[in-house]
Amino acid sequence: GEDVEQSLFLSVREGDSSVINCTYTDSSSTYLYWYKQEPGAGLQLLTYIFSNMDMKQDQRLTVLLNKKDKHLSLRIADTQTGDSAIYFCAASGGSYIPTFGRGTSLIVHP
Amino acid sequence: ETGVTQTPRHLVMGMTNKKSLKCEQHLGHNAMYWYKQSAKKPLELMFVYSLEERVENNSVPSRFSPECPNSSHLFLHLHTLQPEDSALYLCASSQAESSLSNTIYFGEGSWLTVV
Repeated sequence: GEDVEQSLFLSVREGDSSVINCTYTDSSSTYLYWYKQEPGAGLQLLTYIFSNMDMKQDQRLTVLLNKKDKHLSLRIADTQTGDSAIYFCAASGGSYIPTFGRGTSLIVHP
Repeated sequence: ETGVTQTPRHLVMGMTNKKSLKCEQHLGHNAMYWYKQSAKKPLELMFVYSLEERVENNSVPSRFSPECPNSSHLFLHLHTLQPEDSALYLCASSQAESSLSNTIYFGEGSWLTVV
């Protein structure tokens, strides 16, 4: 089955860019997702990218997909303290049920 | 505010109690899910109801019993739980048509503490 890996922690300074990385194993994954989880809350869909795209930009968020390397990244420009959260990567491969990574805790400090 | 509503948001129960978690989705979706999120563990898919089919994770203990009376409502019945079952239980829904597109939308979760 699909396996999705991401680093567990990322610490950045307020105003810098954050880059959260994710790798997946199933080359047939058609949709790749980023979710954000704030403390005490559920997972909120941030953005997704279809596998025939290389890049998707939405305001401060940029998603890059390297299909050859099965690597997905989420860049947050001008990171703010309100961006502190856990970010989950998910991939939809052969099964209609996406596989989630373990989540990356983003810590933004002044 | 999300299209997936979970109640209660917080629940404390004893090991001999019987309680239920409720989920309702207002998105017109045809699939609903229960996930368990414990500290320092990956998100665990417990149950899926999709297109009238039930898919379950065989590692989930029988003290958790799901019920899906229709495509908008999902319950998780809890009976004789253990302290290690304390976790955030997340309900989700999606329009499961094929592997081409299955974006999952989550509720805010129900925090369960077993004492």
